[in-house]
This record gives sequence, C-alpha cells and structure tokens, in this order.
Amino acid sequence: ETGVTQTPRHLVMGMTNKKSLKCEQHLGHNAMYWYKQSAKKPLELMFVYSLEERVENNSVPSRFSPECPNSSHLFLHLHTLQPEDSALYLCASSPRQAQDTQYFGPGTRLTVL
Amino acid sequence: AQSVTQPDIHITVSEGASLELRCNYSYGATPYLFWYVQSPGQGLQLLLKYFSGDTLVQGIKGFEAEFKRSQSSFNLRKPSVHWSDAAEYFCAVALMDSSYKLIFGSGTRLLVRP
Repeated sequence: ETGVTQTPRHLVMGMTNKKSLKCEQHLGHNAMYWYKQSAKKPLELMFVYSLEERVENNSVPSRFSPECPNSSHLFLHLHTLQPEDSALYLCASSPRQAQDTQYFGPGTRLTVL
Repeated sequence: AQSVTQPDIHITVSEGASLELRCNYSYGATPYLFWYVQSPGQGLQLLLKYFSGDTLVQGIKGFEAEFKRSQSSFNLRKPSVHWSDAAEYFCAVALMDSSYKLIFGSGTRLLVRP
C-alpha cells in the first residue's frame, strides 16, 4: 500500500467516548500533520510532528491529544469532544517542512453526537 | 498576518469552456504557492506549485497557474474543463522560513455543466 492512509474513514461518537484516529504514511517522509476541515472554513492546521517531535500546536483544545510513535504513524486521541468538533480530519505528510509538497490522506469524517 | 483569499466560493462552467480560479495572498515576501484539488470524499491532491523562476507553472490534469508579484496573485487556469474536474480547489502558501505552516484559502467549489 502506498501514500497516506487513514482509519477509520467514518466515526460517530458520543461526547463521553474516547476514540483514536490513525494515520500511516508509506512515503518515507519526516513530517506529519493533522488538519481539521469544517464546512465553510479554511483548513485548520492542528499539529505538526517532525521526526516524531511535535513542532507545532495550533492552540488546539486538550481534548485532542496527538501521538507520533514513529515517523510513519500518527494518532489523534479524542476524548470528551463537543458537537462543534464534528468535521473531516485530514492527515498529511511531507519530506521535511511546509515548503515541501504535502501528501494528504482521505480523511476521517467525525460526527460527535 | 499572512492570509490567502479565494474570492469565489462557487464557480459553474460548461464542459469544454475555459476556467480561471482566483487566488490572492498577503505576505511581505514571495511565498511558496500551491494549488490543491479535493474531490468528494477524498483528501487533497497537489495540482501544481511555484517556488521561483518561470512565473507560469504547469501542473497535472492540464492545469496551469501564473504568479503575478505585482498583484499578489496566483490564479489557476485550464483551457478546456472536463466533467471530472468538478471538485473543490484550494490555494495555499508556505512561508519562506523554517516553519511547517501551510496557509490555505477557503476554497472554490467548481461545478461543471454538461
């Protein structure tokens, strides 16, 4: 399998649930990203990891907790989310910094009830 | 603050017609510029990018974009649109520093009439 994969593709959860989103890249890239895509809003960068170290945290609420165990895998742990957190969550990777092309996964469509 | 503006939320064109999607950026220097496309249910795919050099950039699927420094613009064009081009298009800029931030516009949804 090549490129950037994300699981699950769809997730429905209650506000008291705990779930995790998974991203995997098979491109040998050093940087990985989480974005939030809401209706009628630009893509919002949430977190960036470079060589497994978090280098950007864009004022994201603590109910979102990223984890990067190695350069190929990225997780987003979710707990006590709010309905306004419903969105498409996109993972991306790039060889190094933002000036490099970012390759996106298909996203996880999250609905919080 | 740096920003990217895509003034057209929706554009409808007939199949075979030409297309131009507008993008303007606000930044003190020349950034790195990108156009991405997102089909329904998919992630974003890079169409083309500009870093330096020739201001007319060729991309995939027959798209091109022209960087105009004087207008702070990076408009996307295609001479003849196909029905499969219906998607959402995003312009983005990356700053010329060591950051990891890619700043996206709010997108333009392209509808193609048969």
